[in-house]
Amino acid sequence: DVKVTQSSRYLVKRTGEKVFLECVQDMDHENMFWYRQDPGLGLRLIYFSYDVKMKEKGDIPEGYSVSREKKERFSLILESASTNQTSMYLCASSLPAQGWAEAFFGQGTRLTVV
Amino acid sequence: AQKVTQAQTEISVVEKEDVTLDCVYETRDTTYYLFWYKQPPSGELVFLIRRNSFDEQNEISGRYSWNFQKSTSSFNFTITASQVVDSAVYFCALSEENTGNQFYFGTGTSLTVIP
Repeated sequence: DVKVTQSSRYLVKRTGEKVFLECVQDMDHENMFWYRQDPGLGLRLIYFSYDVKMKEKGDIPEGYSVSREKKERFSLILESASTNQTSMYLCASSLPAQGWAEAFFGQGTRLTVV
Repeated sequence: AQKVTQAQTEISVVEKEDVTLDCVYETRDTTYYLFWYKQPPSGELVFLIRRNSFDEQNEISGRYSWNFQKSTSSFNFTITASQVVDSAVYFCALSEENTGNQFYFGTGTSLTVIP
């Protein structure tokens, strides 16, 4: 069974803290993604990575950074958490297949910044 | 501009009713792929189906069916004889061959099936 695993289901952090969200996939996928999900806004792409140490900004990268040191792991970093970053964060991975490959998602991390 | 539009934010139906979830997309690519995902209350998005732009055949899988019409840029999803377990948020998504690493998601349709 293919697996994308996010390190936490729920997180509560304080404003100004540095926050790490970890995602690991066991499918040897080149592509990995971080999305943010908010009511009425659907899934918005924060960053994606198509190879180790490679990254590209998505639609809403401000306030976030990412790290991909190993193929299976893609980390999302909130440099200084703010209350408007309270959200559901979803990690996904896929093959680099010119668009036809579906994405596999983790179970999500619900982050609350207080 | 929104590449994928799901105009229905929330739908409620009574169990055993049929329901259609609408999806309209926008692309200039000739080769593209459309997807539907289901997000149950547990949170994990589950892949349901993929269609490519060259295959307009409708697809049926059990109680689920999909109607892809290039003429109207639509890829609608119908659940026949809905069940409580169908309650979820459903997302339509687009990927394009020329930007193959990205998925464009709609805002989702929340379906509630009332017993």
